[in-house]
Amino acid sequence: AQSVTQLGSHVSVSEGALVLLRCNYSSSVPPYLFWYVQYPNQGLQLLLKYTTGATLVKGINGFEAEFKKSETSFHLTKPSAHMSDAAEYFCAVIPNFEGGNKLTFGTGTQLKVEL
Amino acid sequence: ETGVTQSPTHLIKTRGQQVTLRCSSQSGHNTVSWYQQALGQGPQFIFQYYREEENGRGNFPPRFSGLQFPNYSSELNVNALELDDSALYLCASSLTGTSDHEQFFGPGTRLTVL
Repeated sequence: AQSVTQLGSHVSVSEGALVLLRCNYSSSVPPYLFWYVQYPNQGLQLLLKYTTGATLVKGINGFEAEFKKSETSFHLTKPSAHMSDAAEYFCAVIPNFEGGNKLTFGTGTQLKVEL
Repeated sequence: ETGVTQSPTHLIKTRGQQVTLRCSSQSGHNTVSWYQQALGQGPQFIFQYYREEENGRGNFPPRFSGLQFPNYSSELNVNALELDDSALYLCASSLTGTSDHEQFFGPGTRLTVL
């Protein structure tokens, strides 16, 4: 079965510092890849996705992620953290050898941004 | 364009009771998926409905059931509630038949079982 691993359940950065949130997937066939953000007491908002094409994907709020097939990774980065980035981030996949679009999520990474 | 809405926002039930949660999909979408998010965890796929039929199910017991209506809105029903059913229930709508694969989430229903 497809699985997603997010290294680090909590990440703390200073405002203005680089944000790096790690995501690895387990699949011999690269899945479709997503990053979602969840603010307290809210639903999930899509940050970015990779389905095909260019491996460096740019999303909303200055985030980007790079699909690396050789490393089975899809790490999320942002050059300069802002206080408003504090939230929980989820990496998710959809297998591309199945019909339908059922997301499998990682366990999430809580991002804290400090002054 | 109307986004995904869910009702109610919060709900408190006791063990053994039954609950119905509702979801209105985004305009133009034909598929609804339900997810359970326990505290401190990632969402877990419950099931998906497409054209009013169940189109895939996660590892949840039969007391979790659902419906999709002709207008693509959906209900999630949970019978014989257990304490572990306490969670945020998220509904997501999407358009099956395209290569987009994007799901749009509602704000969720927070269910507390006492």
